[in-house]
Amino acid sequence: EAGVAQSPRYKIIEKRQSVAFWCNPISGHATLYWYQQILGQGPKLLIQFQNNGVVDDSQLPKDRFSAERLKGVDSTLKIQPAKLEDSAVYLCASGTGISEAFFGQGTRLTVV
Amino acid sequence: QKEVEQNSGPLSVPEGAIASLNCTYSDRGSQSFFWYRQYSGKSPELIMSIYSNGDKEDGRFTAQLNKASQYVSLLIRDSQPSDSATYLCAVGEGRRALTFGSGTRLQVQP
Repeated sequence: EAGVAQSPRYKIIEKRQSVAFWCNPISGHATLYWYQQILGQGPKLLIQFQNNGVVDDSQLPKDRFSAERLKGVDSTLKIQPAKLEDSAVYLCASGTGISEAFFGQGTRLTVV
Repeated sequence: QKEVEQNSGPLSVPEGAIASLNCTYSDRGSQSFFWYRQYSGKSPELIMSIYSNGDKEDGRFTAQLNKASQYVSLLIRDSQPSDSATYLCAVGEGRRALTFGSGTRLQVQP
């Protein structure tokens, strides 16, 4: 079974630029999550989708972050404009929604 | 705000010893509990799940849950250097996303 796919693996951008990350979940998983993991911390939820609807985006900084999940499969997370404090690993995960979550390899973002 | 607390470590144990990792959580409504292992530079990997009070064993790993004390633990028997990683405790409730602790760094000394 193929796992969660994410791209790119690494991205370096200057502050105030924009960036987008892509995620393809495990086939059949209705729930998709985007987490942000800052070095030395645990993953922090940014947004949770159930199919193509948003379940929880309470911790998403909506002035600069946006996410969508068209057709209930792939998802993109965008940051515009980026700040230095956005430097982190962005993890996409998927699951059935009632149990565990399975993570992709993550995208390491460096904002300079 | 739900909280999941873990000692950041590092927890250092000799090879072959038992490593004991602990986690407490604040939300009494939590229903599902998970341990993830995260190697440096890699993403979290699920190693154990537990849903009811008591112990659950899987190979060298044992997860323990005490809902009354809001306490979850992970025991790793016969620790190996390859077990050196950060262990993340995660807590879930219904269809809500998992809440993660900050992780405990385990070092197994050869």
